[in-house]
Amino acid sequence: TQLLEQSPQFLSIQEGENLTVYCNSSSVFSSLQWYRQEPGEGPVLLVTVVTGGEVKKLKRLTFQFGDARKDSSLHITAAQPGDTGLYLCAGAPGYALNFGKGTSLLVTP
Amino acid sequence: KAGVTQTPRYLIKTRGQQVTLSCSPISGHRSVSWYQQTPGQGLQFLFEYFSETQRNKGNFPGRFSGRQFSNSRSEMNVSTLELGDSALYLCASSLALLDRISYNEQFFGPGTRLTVL
Repeated sequence: TQLLEQSPQFLSIQEGENLTVYCNSSSVFSSLQWYRQEPGEGPVLLVTVVTGGEVKKLKRLTFQFGDARKDSSLHITAAQPGDTGLYLCAGAPGYALNFGKGTSLLVTP
Repeated sequence: KAGVTQTPRYLIKTRGQQVTLSCSPISGHRSVSWYQQTPGQGLQFLFEYFSETQRNKGNFPGRFSGRQFSNSRSEMNVSTLELGDSALYLCASSLALLDRISYNEQFFGPGTRLTVL
């Protein structure tokens, strides 16, 4: 059983469109992290959200942590081809990070 | 500052063989964690080493082992390879200023792509 469920699994959109991806769990997390992994590379940390209801912005990316700290979302405004990659959320109810399986995003020109 | 490096980047082995993967962390980082990434299971934690000691391990069989050297470089070994061991193996290093690995920002290497035939 996956602790963190991400949706959608795949997303293919055109440049300029907006999108939202989700990370859900039945567990409460003290924090959640979002990573982006590009082909042939390891994941790179984008943001850590800590407080329930917290919203963080990173240029065109907006991250939100649910009030109950069980879910998170990532919204991308005006997607660009450079946003293409696998978006992973991760949290730690225990010692090590648990990762979702990710949302694979393809942005075409 | 150089990032995390992993060697080799690609490896092809046959069932029953063993394999050793290497990871060089960012200079000054004392913690190295290993993860297995597959399409079916996603990223799963294998184990973490800090100051040459294994601090924690995930739910993997004993065929998966590792070690860390005094210069913080780490190796992982998989013995008696099975087809299901085909995966991207990632290592991540961190400063480990806090006692739980999940509290520390981890920097991932590019991974070693292992194919077992």
